[in-house]
Amino acid sequence: GQQVMQIPQYQHVQEGEDFTTYCNSSTTLSNIQWYKQRPGGHPVFLIQLVKSGEVKKQKRLTFQFGEAKKNSSLHITATQTTDVGTYFCAGLLNDMRFGAGTRLTVKP
Amino acid sequence: KAGVTQTPRYLIKTRGQQVTLSCSPISGHRSVSWYQQTPGQGLQFLFEYFSETQRNKGNFPGRFSGRQFSNSRSEMNVSTLELGDSALYLCATSPGTSGNYGYTFGSGTRLTVV
Repeated sequence: GQQVMQIPQYQHVQEGEDFTTYCNSSTTLSNIQWYKQRPGGHPVFLIQLVKSGEVKKQKRLTFQFGEAKKNSSLHITATQTTDVGTYFCAGLLNDMRFGAGTRLTVKP
Repeated sequence: KAGVTQTPRYLIKTRGQQVTLSCSPISGHRSVSWYQQTPGQGLQFLFEYFSETQRNKGNFPGRFSGRQFSNSRSEMNVSTLELGDSALYLCATSPGTSGNYGYTFGSGTRLTVV
């Protein structure tokens, strides 16, 4: 079963609002990756975090890896309609285990 | 640079039949992992192959099997199909073993079992 938990399952926002999805593991992760899957598409790699407490930014997206390497978050500032999709985290245990994903919808 | 190619894109099979899915990775990618994606269960790990060897296997019954060839292409086979096997099967490739690099996913094979 899932060993990487992700919340919330769904998030609906007004365009311009911020969005955050959280990922948690009961065990320490070697690293964590984030992916985006557009409706009808396949997951696309966004970023990988490896170090404890690491923070990385990609334009309006901010990724964090917790100090204990058991949790991570993805924050999108001022969402746009192009941000629509499902965001997955994936943590490395013995293999890459994906969270259930957070489905983001954006109302124009 | 060609992407990850999965064939076929769509498949309809009858319960009890078997099916073989194919994945051709990006040139230079030696690791191939397979995932099953369903609306209720998300992305479930099936197995990972690297240099023709299975490195990891998820919690799926023995009806699910796979292999990798010397050119890194991979196939997965599902025997004695059940209705619950209906899903999108995704292969994900990377230059090295899982987790050290980001995956590049194929477009998937949509399997429907009737």
